[in-house]
Amino acid sequence: EVQVVESGGGLVQPGGSLRLSCAASGFTFSNYEMMWVRQAPGKGLDWVSFISGSANTIHYADSVRGRFTISRDNAKNSLYLQMNSLRAEDTALYYCARVAASGSYCDSWGQGTLVTVSS
Amino acid sequence: SYVLTQPPSVSVAPGQTARITCGGNDIGSKSVHWYQQKPGQAPVLVVYDDRDRPSGIPERFSGSNSGNTATLTISRVEAGDEADYYCQVWDGSSNHPVLFGGGTKLTVL
Repeated sequence: EVQVVESGGGLVQPGGSLRLSCAASGFTFSNYEMMWVRQAPGKGLDWVSFISGSANTIHYADSVRGRFTISRDNAKNSLYLQMNSLRAEDTALYYCARVAASGSYCDSWGQGTLVTVSS
Repeated sequence: SYVLTQPPSVSVAPGQTARITCGGNDIGSKSVHWYQQKPGQAPVLVVYDDRDRPSGIPERFSGSNSGNTATLTISRVEAGDEADYYCQVWDGSSNHPVLFGGGTKLTVL
């Protein structure tokens, strides 16, 4: 069974840092592109970052570029999001999602990990 | 930058047909994907590549895409279809390649 499970969320002060992790199982992780998508409370889906299977292609939303860093460890079947200089507007549920092998859509999502930026 | 526009809400009676639109400049030239999200749950893919359904998604869910509008159609709507629906495209020419629409709340009356 394909599964992705996020962890690492929590309460952090503005300007602080947090590292999210996503553990993948049930598929050959290195063969799949991955992305992070977030959802602020009561709001819609907001794409954050994308990484190819070999990590040689990476994209970021303008709102996080320069502050967030996506990475992956294919030996550990894990995806990461290092978040620095956090702002109140980064408060959201962060989803890890697998990009389908055949296309540009997400075919498997985790349940999300909540990040709250507040003093 | 490319923008996807969805109506905030759509209401339909049980058994009727719901149509949720996703507007974008020449969206017909792109592949459109649709997700369903129920309260407290992660999004679920219901239609990909304009009109294809993942395994396990009922045939009542269908999609179309032409010109400046993509449409998710839900036939014979059931109470369990009440959810938020999001369209998504990949814009390969941009450094912001993944775009979501603002979402549509489907209410089953």
